[in-house]
Amino acid sequence: ETGVTQSPTHLIKTRGQQVTLRCSSQSGHNTVSWYQQALGQGPQFIFQYYREEENGRGNFPPRFSGLQFPNYSSELNVNALELDDSALYLCASSSTSGASYNEQFFGPGTRLTVL
Amino acid sequence: AQSVTQLGSHVSVSEGALVLLRCNYSSSVPPYLFWYVQYPNQGLQLLLKYTSAATLVKGINGFEAEFKKSETSFHLTKPSAHMSDAAEYFCAALNTGFQKLVFGTGTRLLVSP
Repeated sequence: ETGVTQSPTHLIKTRGQQVTLRCSSQSGHNTVSWYQQALGQGPQFIFQYYREEENGRGNFPPRFSGLQFPNYSSELNVNALELDDSALYLCASSSTSGASYNEQFFGPGTRLTVL
Repeated sequence: AQSVTQLGSHVSVSEGALVLLRCNYSSSVPPYLFWYVQYPNQGLQLLLKYTSAATLVKGINGFEAEFKKSETSFHLTKPSAHMSDAAEYFCAALNTGFQKLVFGTGTRLLVSP
């Protein structure tokens, strides 16, 4: 069973640029959630995708957007990067049925640095 | 809105000592509750979860947590700390409706020899 994978592991961008982060969900999972973890803080929910549709959003501006593909993988896009966007971005996959229902499995994260 | 409070940003114990990490939730309806561990430069690993089946939950690596509705608490314990337990620990609650995890601010566990 393949776990959640994310790419790239590290990324450096400058203010104003755009970035795309990618996530492959665990086999059998149909839901992907994205979280932002600033240094020294707990993860904050950005949004969730289910059946290729956004299924809930946290307190993040519209320049944070996402996609989910038919194979349940997902992308997080951030436009007009700001210094405060520097963080670890975590992807989590889950299933809406089965024994692990309500359990989110996290990937290793992508560390984004905005200069 | 659901919130999770972790008391103590840092907890220091000696190897072999009891580990106690505190977590309180705020919700009129007990949510699903989770403890995650994060090692440096890594993602989150699930230690254990409470889903209303049993109030005492056993997890991996010898950790366990007890759900106490009267105290709205879900504290994490381990009888004997090991050096490898040094990490950041996060308590989280799952909102009903959709699968959004709400995290506490984390507790860094330091284990000294």
